[in-house]
Amino acid sequence: GQNIDQPTEMTATEGAIVQINCTYQTSGFNGLFWYQQHAGEAPTFLSYNVLDGLEEKGRFSSFLSRSKGYSYLLLKELQMKDSASYLCAVVYNQGGKLIFGQGTELSVKP
Amino acid sequence: DAGITQSPRYKITETGRQVTLMCHQTWSHSYMFWYRQDLGHGLRLIYYSAAADITDKGEVPDGYVVSRSKTENFPLTLESATRSQTSVYFCASLLEPGLSAEQFFGPGTRLTVL
Repeated sequence: GQNIDQPTEMTATEGAIVQINCTYQTSGFNGLFWYQQHAGEAPTFLSYNVLDGLEEKGRFSSFLSRSKGYSYLLLKELQMKDSASYLCAVVYNQGGKLIFGQGTELSVKP
Repeated sequence: DAGITQSPRYKITETGRQVTLMCHQTWSHSYMFWYRQDLGHGLRLIYYSAAADITDKGEVPDGYVVSRSKTENFPLTLESATRSQTSVYFCASLLEPGLSAEQFFGPGTRLTVL
């Protein structure tokens, strides 16, 4: 299989920085996504990494190391509205199929 | 600009009944996907389609049937619903893997099988 592992839940404080890690099997890797999902809603796209390095987009950044099978999502200046589930998903081989991790439930406290 | 829609949004049915969940997208995206989302399992791919009349199995296809006679529609049918198929179902679409990697998700259908 193509196990994608991420922590089940995390808690952080408003205004702080949090890093959500994701590890995956490297064979056939063809890109990695991060999605945000609020309770009762559909996932929404945050980032896409296909090359090594850091991609920054406002308060959110995503990092990828293909050789290590590792990615993280970095959220800065946390806001209460950032409380959500964060889904790591990997494209293996061709065809656009995504394999998702179980998601990390982030709770932001005042 | 409707994007990607699903119907119904909520459905309650009984074991053994046939249920069809609808998915419609207005972007003429080539690829469409069906996922189910359950606590402890995240999103799992049921079936996907690369184009009209082309479908393929995902991770958990048993008990489901799909068709894609038109590019914009991708219905998912549970031929004989079971309680284990109680879940939230998401449809998604993708323009082309090489052109744009982002999948766009519909709002979801919450299905309960009694």
